[in-house]
Amino acid sequence: QSVLTQPPSASGTPGQRVTISCSGSSSNIGTNVVNWYQLLPGTAPRLLIYNNDQRPSGVPDRFSGSKSGTSASLAISGLQSEDEADYFCAAWEDSLRRDVFGSGTKVTVL
Amino acid sequence: EAQLVESGGGLVQIGGSLRLSCVASGFTFSTYDMHWVRQVTGKGLEWVSNIGSGGDTYYLHSVRGRFTISRQNAKSSLFLQMNSLRAEDTAVYYCARKFCGRSSCSFDIWGLGTMVTVSS
Repeated sequence: QSVLTQPPSASGTPGQRVTISCSGSSSNIGTNVVNWYQLLPGTAPRLLIYNNDQRPSGVPDRFSGSKSGTSASLAISGLQSEDEADYFCAAWEDSLRRDVFGSGTKVTVL
Repeated sequence: EAQLVESGGGLVQIGGSLRLSCVASGFTFSTYDMHWVRQVTGKGLEWVSNIGSGGDTYYLHSVRGRFTISRQNAKSSLFLQMNSLRAEDTAVYYCARKFCGRSSCSFDIWGLGTMVTVSS
């Protein structure tokens, strides 16, 4: 059972905006930054968002992150077929003293 | 370009052993904390172990005493010795670099992963 909770799936048509939630607690998201990772089949996981809302170079600006209290969100605007992947949130967990990940959300482009 | 390449996965019987390797290139390996993260098929990611640039080691509770992480900086290599393997250790194992900026840390470079299957 993952420490951080995400919806198992999300979907949209090309061009739409899709939002993925990540729910945690005061000992993880509530006090630490959230990072988001994209997993495409057959490729290495990719850092998509770090420090809640920062994009590494090379990540398109249609990906955005936000955090409020003990929850975080990843938004994909202008959805494209290549965005079909699994997305995971992550944060440091103070009580376990280790990084914890979300359960993952599979995004489908209809 | 920074890159990580894992190897050593495979099919092993319950109670058996495997040694995973991860070779880094394109960055100064010795200066980074390195981690192993796994993903059970269809499930979420799970942090397994890490070794700091200074050699300090940390483990997930369920693998402590069975897994040993190590590094060989001269060869830019990271290892995970897995003993007394259990069915629940079956997963894709990723090697990942942890980068810490001014205000936060993240796993910024990952390998493709290596599959470990533990079966009776």
